[in-house]
Amino acid sequence: GDSVTQMEGPVTLSEEAFLTINCTYTATGYPSLFWYVQYPGEGLQLLLKATKADDKGSNKGFEATYRKETTSFHLEKGSVQVSDSAVYFCALTRQGGSEKLVFGKGTKLTVNP
Amino acid sequence: DVKVTQSSRYLVKRTGEKVFLECVQDMDHENMFWYRQDPGLGLRLIYFSYDVKMKEKGDIPEGYSVSREKKERFSLILESASTNQTSMYLCASSSSGVWSNQPQHFGDGTRLSIL
Repeated sequence: GDSVTQMEGPVTLSEEAFLTINCTYTATGYPSLFWYVQYPGEGLQLLLKATKADDKGSNKGFEATYRKETTSFHLEKGSVQVSDSAVYFCALTRQGGSEKLVFGKGTKLTVNP
Repeated sequence: DVKVTQSSRYLVKRTGEKVFLECVQDMDHENMFWYRQDPGLGLRLIYFSYDVKMKEKGDIPEGYSVSREKKERFSLILESASTNQTSMYLCASSSSGVWSNQPQHFGDGTRLSIL
C-alpha cells in the first residue's frame, strides 16, 4: 500500500541554520504531496503542497520539490527561526483516488536562539 | 478561513464509559476525518465520511464508531473506553475535488485520558 517515510527526529538547529527534512514515498499512480506543520498545543496546518512531478511548493520560506524519479519531497528552508520549532509531517493522497491522507510519522524540529 | 472546532481540548473518562468526541466545521466540506496521534506512531486514520450518513473505516476502527447526521458535524464514539484509547484525537475536514489534492483542515485536537 501507499506509504511515506520521513527522517526521524528530533532535529535541533541553531537560528539561521539551513534545514532539510527528508521525505520519500511509495505510491501507485500519481500522488499529491503535502507538508503539514504542528505547533505545540495545536492541530496540523497545511504548510505547502505539490500536485505533479517537478512542481515546487513554497510557503513561509519553506520549499519542497516533487521528484518523481527519486520518489521524494524533501522540505528545505534556508534560514530557520525559533518560531519554526514544531513537528513536521509529510503526507500524500493518490490523485483520482480517495481523499485519505497517508502521513509520515513526523519530525520534531527545535530551533535554539 | 476554515474553522474546525473540537468540543473539548482535554477530557478525562473512566474505563467502560461511552465517550463522545464532537467536531464541527464551518466551510460546507463534504469530507470529514478522525485521527488519533500517538508518539512514535504519527497520525492514524480511524474513520472518515464523505457525505452525510456515509462512513468508511480507516486503518484502526476497532473500538470506535462514528456518526454524521449533519454535514457540518462528525462525532467519534468510543463504545466502551479502554486505557489503550488514551491519546490525542484530531478531526479534519476537506472539500471534494476532481483530483485528490484538496488539503485537510484540522481542529486543535482533544487530549483524551482513560483512567
